[in-house]
Amino acid sequence: DSGVTQTPKHLITATGQRVTLRCSPRSGDLSVYWYQQSLDQGLQFLIQYYNGEERAKGNILERFSAQQFPDLHSELNLSSLELGDSALYFCASNKLGADTQYFGPGTRLTVL
Amino acid sequence: AQSVTQLGSHVSVSEGALVLLRCNYSSSVPPYLFWYVQYPNQGLQLLLKYTSAATLVKGINGFEAEFKKSETSFHLTKPSAHMSDAAEYFCAVSVSGGGADGLTFGKGTHLIIQP
Repeated sequence: DSGVTQTPKHLITATGQRVTLRCSPRSGDLSVYWYQQSLDQGLQFLIQYYNGEERAKGNILERFSAQQFPDLHSELNLSSLELGDSALYFCASNKLGADTQYFGPGTRLTVL
Repeated sequence: AQSVTQLGSHVSVSEGALVLLRCNYSSSVPPYLFWYVQYPNQGLQLLLKYTSAATLVKGINGFEAEFKKSETSFHLTKPSAHMSDAAEYFCAVSVSGGGADGLTFGKGTHLIIQP
């Protein structure tokens, strides 16, 4: 158990819909990362937040957005969903400057 | 930009045999390198990391990896495979140690252990 929690574990929705994935980092970690794992693209970095502010951006689509709240939990919002957005979405956390990221168990999103 | 190439999407070894999973990286600056393992329906767990200290790095579960700058490689080895090692293994690179950017992952290698 890494100490990073993600909800929900599974999510099934339809094309065109919007969903929100939630992540709670390890106690004391101010930095949160979001990753997408799909069969086509593999594991891709989406975005990083540090203490409420966006810090780095990867291959995140414009239809996707994220935020980090004062209690440090983070949400990834996915809108206008397409079949190709079906994937495992992972959250990871660490302390700024630390070299190891700790991954949560992931949310499996299925878009029908 | 950095990148990672993992040679072999599937590697099959017999129980008790040597495990060798290959990883080559590309980075314009000294990299931080990681190996993660993913068991079915689970998240990623760190096996070991190279952060510019010793070039031979020991990790959990008997795994180790050697950083070779001249070959831009960071291959993962284990002297004797166990059935419980069957999983997906990912090599990853970061240019800032995870402090200011995300990890760039390879495509992964599925390790199969034959009894």
